[in-house]
Order: sequence, then C-alpha cells, then structure tokens
Amino acid sequence: QTVVTQEPSFSVSPGGTVTLTCGLSSGSVSTNYYPSWYQQTPGQAPRTLVYNTNTRSSGVPDRFSGSILWSKAALTITGAQADDESHYYCVLYMGGGVYVFGTGTKVTVL
Amino acid sequence: QVQLQESGPGLVKPSQTLSLTCTVSGGSISSGFYFWNWIRQPAGEGLEWVGRIYTVGSTNYSPSLKSRVTISVDTSKNQFSLKLSSVTAADTAVYYCAREVGATTGVFDIWGQGTLVTVSS
Repeated sequence: QTVVTQEPSFSVSPGGTVTLTCGLSSGSVSTNYYPSWYQQTPGQAPRTLVYNTNTRSSGVPDRFSGSILWSKAALTITGAQADDESHYYCVLYMGGGVYVFGTGTKVTVL
Repeated sequence: QVQLQESGPGLVKPSQTLSLTCTVSGGSISSGFYFWNWIRQPAGEGLEWVGRIYTVGSTNYSPSLKSRVTISVDTSKNQFSLKLSSVTAADTAVYYCAREVGATTGVFDIWGQGTLVTVSS
C-alpha cells in the first residue's frame, strides 16, 4: 500500500521560513500526482492552500508557495505568522480516481 | 453558496454497517463538474481519503477500504451516502463529506463540518 510521508513536526520562528515536504514510500513525486496542500486547525475542516503543485487557492496569502523539490512535493511558508501554527496535509492523485493523503506535519510558530 | 452537512448515527456496533448521508444545499449536486467525496480522520490522527462519486454514478474507492465501502448518490434528494460494512474500532473517526472540483485536481473546496462516528458495543 502506498504511503505518503511528511515530516511529523516543524518549528519556525515568527518571520522565518519553513519548507514542508511530501514524499512517496517508493518513487518520486512529480507534477503528474497533482499535489495539493491543506491547512487544518483543531476542530475545523481542512482548507485548501495550494493545488496542482503550485497554484494558490483563492484568498491564500502569497507567503504560501508550492513546488517540487528533490523528488518531493513541497510547501514553503515564507515569513511565518502566528496564525500559521496548524497541521498541514498534502494529498496526491495516484491515478484511477484514487487519492492518498500524507501523514501530516504539525507546524509550531515560536 | 453551496454547503454540505453530514448526518447519521454517531454510534455503531462492531461488525455492523456504518451509514452516513451528506446533504448538499445551496446548489444542485448534479450541476457542474464535481466529484463528491468522503474523507475521515480518527481522533488525533491524519486525514484518510475514503472514496468519491460522480453524479452519473461512477465511483472510486481507497484500495484499503474498497472491499467494505459503497458510495451512492440520490440526485432527487441532493444527497450522497457512505456505507462501510463490517466496522471495527479502527473505523472510529470524524467523517467529512467534501466537494472536489474536477476529476484529478485534489481540490476539495467545500467541506461539511464533520460527524463523529464511534464504533463500540
């Protein structure tokens, strides 16, 4: 079974930059997986940040950017703010109408 | 504005079938090019994609759940439903319904508030 791996946690200082990654247990992530990224705060449904690798969803600040780095999908937060403290999930399209979510990364801003 | 609302029993006994419904309001479930998804999240854990349906009836399921999952749609009621059979405690989770824009985008743009289903005797 395919596992989509993310770092369990990251800590970033206010104003700092952090890059989260989303990889496959076997193989490389490419744009063909249409990676997207979600932010989830406790008790809330997730919201879309980035889709199709690097397209920001409407209303998402430009400090969030998506890319492919070192055969993984990546989400970079540049100039982190306190309200960026959340869980972040990637999701990959595996083909055949099937999606797999990543394991999630908890980002702490302090 | 389209909204989604999950409904169904909050407690299901082991080995029984979990049944949930998602009601779409503010728009027709048949309009536009949208897929209708179920996603779940055990307490304190990550998100798991369960499956989806397109309104003409085509479905896709998570390979790990495929043998137990059925998703159906009732366009006359503007609803889609999830059935998960032979449940165990591992199926205890918050279940979300979500609208997906297009077929491969991974853009789940509208979510229900989620409903907690507990599997316990």
